[in-house]
Amino acid sequence: AQSVTQPDIHITVSEGASLELRCNYSYGATPYLFWYVQSPGQGLQLLLKYFSGDTLVQGIKGFEAEFKRSQSSFNLRKPSVHWSDAAEYFCAVGARTGTASKLTFGTGTRLQVTL
Amino acid sequence: EAQVTQNPRYLITVTGKKLTVTCSQNMNHEYMSWYRQDPGLGLRQIYYSMNVEVTDKGDVPEGYKVSRKEKRNFPLILESPSPNQTSLYFCASRKSGSSYEQYFGPGTRLTVT
Repeated sequence: AQSVTQPDIHITVSEGASLELRCNYSYGATPYLFWYVQSPGQGLQLLLKYFSGDTLVQGIKGFEAEFKRSQSSFNLRKPSVHWSDAAEYFCAVGARTGTASKLTFGTGTRLQVTL
Repeated sequence: EAQVTQNPRYLITVTGKKLTVTCSQNMNHEYMSWYRQDPGLGLRQIYYSMNVEVTDKGDVPEGYKVSRKEKRNFPLILESPSPNQTSLYFCASRKSGSSYEQYFGPGTRLTVT
């Protein structure tokens, strides 16, 4: 069974600083990997996804993530954080299980941005 | 506008009183799913449906029921709610095929007293 670990429960960065959110996954084959963002009181919005090919993927709102198979990681990065980026971020791994398919989420990282 | 809608958005109820949370999508998606979100636990899948009349258990199905009589609707039923079902619930849908993005509803915050 697949699993996702987000080791940082809470991160605080200053506006304009760079950001990296960590995500490690466990899965026996090539995974589908996703990052979602949840703003306060909102549902989840997809930031970016990796299926195959180029290991550096670009997403919305200036985010990017790099798939590193050797480290089983899919860390999310942004070069300059804006106050509006304060939210909770979820990494997820998608896999096919039998005839169904399953998306497993990490426990999330809450990002606080100080001005 | 393509969207997933849930109703109600907020619900406070008492132990044992049956309730239904509705979920509807207008994107003609085959796959629909219910999740619950709890602090420190992330999102956990309750039930999913691959298509009409095809449903299956997720990771935490105890105490919940679902049905999929129409492609667009996927209601979540709590026959006898208990306080441990107090949570934030999300419905999601996507095209069939696990590579597709899931679209999430706005969430339903349920409190069972």
